[in-house]
Amino acid sequence: QKEVEQNSGPLSVPEGAIASLNCTYSDRVSQSFFWYRQYSGKSPELIMSIYSNGDKEDGRFTAQLNKASQYVSLLIRDSQPSDSATYLCAVQAAGNKLTFGGGTRVLVKP
Amino acid sequence: GAVVSQHPSRVICKSGTSVKIECRSLDFQATTMFWYRQFPKKSLMLMATSNEGSKATYEQGVEKDKFLINHASLTLSTLTVTSAHPEDSSFYICSARVGIANTGELFFGEGSRLTVL
Repeated sequence: QKEVEQNSGPLSVPEGAIASLNCTYSDRVSQSFFWYRQYSGKSPELIMSIYSNGDKEDGRFTAQLNKASQYVSLLIRDSQPSDSATYLCAVQAAGNKLTFGGGTRVLVKP
Repeated sequence: GAVVSQHPSRVICKSGTSVKIECRSLDFQATTMFWYRQFPKKSLMLMATSNEGSKATYEQGVEKDKFLINHASLTLSTLTVTSAHPEDSSFYICSARVGIANTGELFFGEGSRLTVL
């Protein structure tokens, strides 16, 4: 069983719509959760971090965490073509290591 | 965010040669750096954790004699792929965490694309 799971997509959304990305994780003691955006051929770029249950908003992005359900999500409001990328969910449990999901590819169509 | 710089961004080498990749934290000190590799359309796989002034910690299945890691200062870690072969061709990415705590955000270098002919 994979430790961090994401739907690989592609998730196709029209420009201006909301993109909803989901991530589940297996380690119940996970404490830190991150969303990264990766454009093709580039390295990941941090978008959001979230550490406690609930919602965290930053501009057009909202991260949601539910530790009881072992679930973290990312909402992208007013999606733009420039948001087209692969979004990686990352979870930190014990120690230093960050475990990444397989990524969800998002396509925003004009 | 914090800046992590990686060099070279692309390298092409012949089979059997060794390649060194540098990772620098530009505006902060990093006692720990992480080396990942990524195959096309796949996620990041942690190879090793680089610790300043001590030996690196390698993940299961990663050959320490193949992938030499040196973290000689608080701002520089190097990964040397020794006797590279075509199957070593991949995207190698380093990362570092600001501060000495085990929590917090991880920042990535630009990545180094290695092609072994």
